[in-house]
Amino acid sequence: DGGITQSPKYLFRKEGQNVTLSCEQNLNHDAMYWYRQDPGQGLRLIYYSQIVNDFQKGDIAEGYSVSREKKESFPLTVTSAQKNPTAFYLCASSMFGQGSNQPQHFGDGTRLSIL
Amino acid sequence: AQSVAQPEDQVNVAEGNPLTVKCTYSVSGNPYLFWYVQYPNRGLQFLLKYITGDNLVKGSYGFEAEFNKSQTSFHLKKPSALVSDSALYFCAAGNAGNMLTFGGGTRLMVKP
Repeated sequence: DGGITQSPKYLFRKEGQNVTLSCEQNLNHDAMYWYRQDPGQGLRLIYYSQIVNDFQKGDIAEGYSVSREKKESFPLTVTSAQKNPTAFYLCASSMFGQGSNQPQHFGDGTRLSIL
Repeated sequence: AQSVAQPEDQVNVAEGNPLTVKCTYSVSGNPYLFWYVQYPNRGLQFLLKYITGDNLVKGSYGFEAEFNKSQTSFHLKKPSALVSDSALYFCAAGNAGNMLTFGGGTRLMVKP
């Protein structure tokens, strides 16, 4: 079945540590996205990529980094510069990127907590 | 800047009664509008979208939404609620030039 796979489902970060969240899709979608979801809040865009080897900052990119070396993969690194990383992180993809009228497809998320 | 408002944090409805989850938007030009549902510890699932055409859009699981251009609203509706409809619902809006903007979400509680 086609879809988006996020791993791990739960992740714990120590102080000063960088951690990487995996996102893989087999939908052949061009665009991929990372969102952060905090309790009682909506989704906030961290980074997005519309094509391989290119990505743009979203609304809350500080303390995060991404790469897009393959169409299928869009990993997110939460760096030690992100002082409040505890949240639910969602990866999504869509057929086209900015301005697209196609729905985004979401993975089942990674819940990141601080040790 | 575009924005999406879901004015109710929570909506309570009895099973079998009709439900409405409200959404208003501010988007320049012709909007693209979406509804998603999220169950606990899961990602968002697409329910329906409005791009153009009929103002009443039908989607998955018996849900529908009504586009009202003059009121800039896109309310989600279902004629008869099920307990299994209890979840978090998100409205999203965009247009041909911009990324999607999501509302803050509305928790729907359907009581037996």
